Amino acid sequence: KNQVEQSPQSLIILEGKNCTLQCNYTVSPFSNLRWYKQDTGRGPVSLTIMTFSENTKSNGRYTATLDADTKQSSLHITASQLSDSASYICVVSAQTGGFKTIFGAGTRLFVKA
Amino acid sequence: GEEVAQTPKHLVRGEGQKAKLYCAPIKGHSYVFWYQQVLKNEFKFLISFQNENVFDETGMPKERFSAKCLPNSPCSLEIQATKLEDSAVYFCASSPDGPNEKLFFGSGTQLSVL
Repeated sequence: KNQVEQSPQSLIILEGKNCTLQCNYTVSPFSNLRWYKQDTGRGPVSLTIMTFSENTKSNGRYTATLDADTKQSSLHITASQLSDSASYICVVSAQTGGFKTIFGAGTRLFVKA
Repeated sequence: GEEVAQTPKHLVRGEGQKAKLYCAPIKGHSYVFWYQQVLKNEFKFLISFQNENVFDETGMPKERFSAKCLPNSPCSLEIQATKLEDSAVYFCASSPDGPNEKLFFGSGTQLSVL
């Protein structure tokens, strides 16, 4: 069964600190993996996309990694800001006839002053 | 437009009433997707369109739920005879090239069934 598991479920950090969010998936055949940021009351916004051949990709203070062998991805946030408080959702696409997109449950990040 | 526009922002219905949600995709995007998010949990895929044609409806409940994307009109998601468990945020997303591409989400419609 295609699944995307994220950890931790929630996380509280102090402003300025770094953090790493995890995503494990069993989606096959793998097409790509995206990290989305969902602010409260808003729709998700794409942060990064990782394809099979990519190991690391950065977008400002966000760095995503992908290990296609172990089927794991991480999102590292550097020097966190209050505005980073949001849900971070890992979304994996599988190419199965058409395309299937499977969403993780998200990690709820709280950045405190 | 440059954003996916969803209306209304909030919708309250009594159990058994009809609910209709609207979505205007970004201009030029051929694909539209509907998702249901219950209590901030994972997104459940409902249905997708390529232009006005149903692309994938494997997530649509067989009863009570229907959706359309007609030319020159906002897309719509309609729920007949709403139930308490239909309470959720319904997100619409669009993409220019298909389900494997980046999705651009609207802000959602919060449906509360009382």
